[in-house]
Amino acid sequence: GESVGLHLPTLSVQEGDNSIINCAYSNSASDYFIWYKQESGKGPQFIIDIRSNMDKRQGQRVTVLLNKTVKHLSLQIAATQPGDSAVYFCAETNSGTYKYIFGTGTRLKVLA
Amino acid sequence: GAGVSQSPSNKVTEKGKDVELRCDPISGHTALYWYRQSLGQGLEFLIYFQGNSAPDKSGLPSDRFSAERTGGSVSTLTIQRTQQEDSAVYLCASSLGTDQFFGPGTRLTVL
Repeated sequence: GESVGLHLPTLSVQEGDNSIINCAYSNSASDYFIWYKQESGKGPQFIIDIRSNMDKRQGQRVTVLLNKTVKHLSLQIAATQPGDSAVYFCAETNSGTYKYIFGTGTRLKVLA
Repeated sequence: GAGVSQSPSNKVTEKGKDVELRCDPISGHTALYWYRQSLGQGLEFLIYFQGNSAPDKSGLPSDRFSAERTGGSVSTLTIQRTQQEDSAVYLCASSLGTDQFFGPGTRLTVL
């Protein structure tokens, strides 16, 4: 299927290198954050989440860092692989509500 | 399958025609969302259903857009008198808690 986000900022990394994707969130009341991966022609897929009482959370090859002081979120992907090529975007919400605010996304390109 | 499904996957229509987009959520999920995703944009909230409560329609961009959820399960998003600016990917997600599970989307192209 055709990709969404053809005009998104793009991060190109060499296969095997680490990737860092950043996101600035907007609502200081947000207490729950999610990173999604969206491959071409597919819906967003959950990668990792973090709550505001944490600064860091690690998954398999992925780490999310949260800096509430500057309202900044980052996703680190270790040893980036070709299968990591996709659009990545963050989402924020206050767990007392059901509404999410989504970032516009960053396209990650993995160079062989 | 066990995931969220949407149909059709692609829809091409002429300006002025009506379209219906369908979402089958994960069985047992009480919450259902519709979003619109345009090129270079984040997901735009359209409408939210939760159980038998009145839906939150605050994100619908105009009165040409409407949605229903029958029996707390399948949902249909209807766009009447489509315009070229309606061209986008329409995503559905369902949820039981905080985590949303997305369908593959319907790509709508209005000529």
